[in-house]
Amino acid sequence: GESVGLHLPTLSVQEGDNSIINCAYSNSASDYFIWYKQESGKGPQFIIDIRSNMDKRQGQRVTVLLNKTVKHLSLQIAATQPGDSAVYFCAETLSWGNKLVFGAGTILRVKS
Amino acid sequence: DAGITQSPRYKITETGRQVTLMCHQTWSHSYMFWYRQDLGHGLRLIYYSAAADITDKGEVPDGYVVSRSKTENFPLTLESATRSQTSVYFCASSQAWANEQFFGPGTRLTVL
Repeated sequence: GESVGLHLPTLSVQEGDNSIINCAYSNSASDYFIWYKQESGKGPQFIIDIRSNMDKRQGQRVTVLLNKTVKHLSLQIAATQPGDSAVYFCAETLSWGNKLVFGAGTILRVKS
Repeated sequence: DAGITQSPRYKITETGRQVTLMCHQTWSHSYMFWYRQDLGHGLRLIYYSAAADITDKGEVPDGYVVSRSKTENFPLTLESATRSQTSVYFCASSQAWANEQFFGPGTRLTVL
C-alpha cells in the first residue's frame, strides 16, 4: 500500500491497552468533526463523528472527545487490537457549507 | 453491494499524456469528491460536485478536469500529466455536505 506514514507521528501501544490519538483542529468555527481510519492500501474508513454541540460521543470501543476551548479532538480506542493498526485522520468542516479539511494523520502501531 | 468503486486501481503513464480516473457510486449520493494523497500533505481536495452538472474547485485543482453528467459517475481527467501528479487518488461520496464521506479504494498513479 501507499506509504503515507513516513513523516507522521506514531503511537505504539501494547495489545489490550487503551489508545488515545490527538488532533488539533484549525478553524474555531468548525462544527462537525470526523475520525477516519486508513489501512495500508485502502481508502479512509469512517470511524465516528461528533458535532460541536456535544463534547463526547461513544461508539463501539471508540470514544471521541471534543474540547472547543482549545480546538482539540481526541479519539480513544479501548482494548486496542492488532487490527486497529492504521493511520488515523481527523477532519473538520462547517456544516453550513465548507470543505472537509483533513489533518495530517497519526500512525497507530499495535504490538502483540 | 458495490458502494464506491474506482478504476483503474493502478496506472503508469508518461508525462504529457491524458489520463482519466473513473469513480462510480451506487448509493445515489448527491456529493462526490476527488482527493489526492501525498507524503507530508495528507488528503487534499481536488474537485467536488454537489449534484449532476455542478462541480467546483477544491484546494489543488490545477491540471485536472472533472465532469458529472450522471449522479453516479465522477471522472477525473489529467489533461497533460506531469510528474508532480504522481499520487494516490481517492474518490469519495456523501449524502449531504456535512455528512461522513465514503471513500473508494484509491487509484495509484505514476507519471514517468
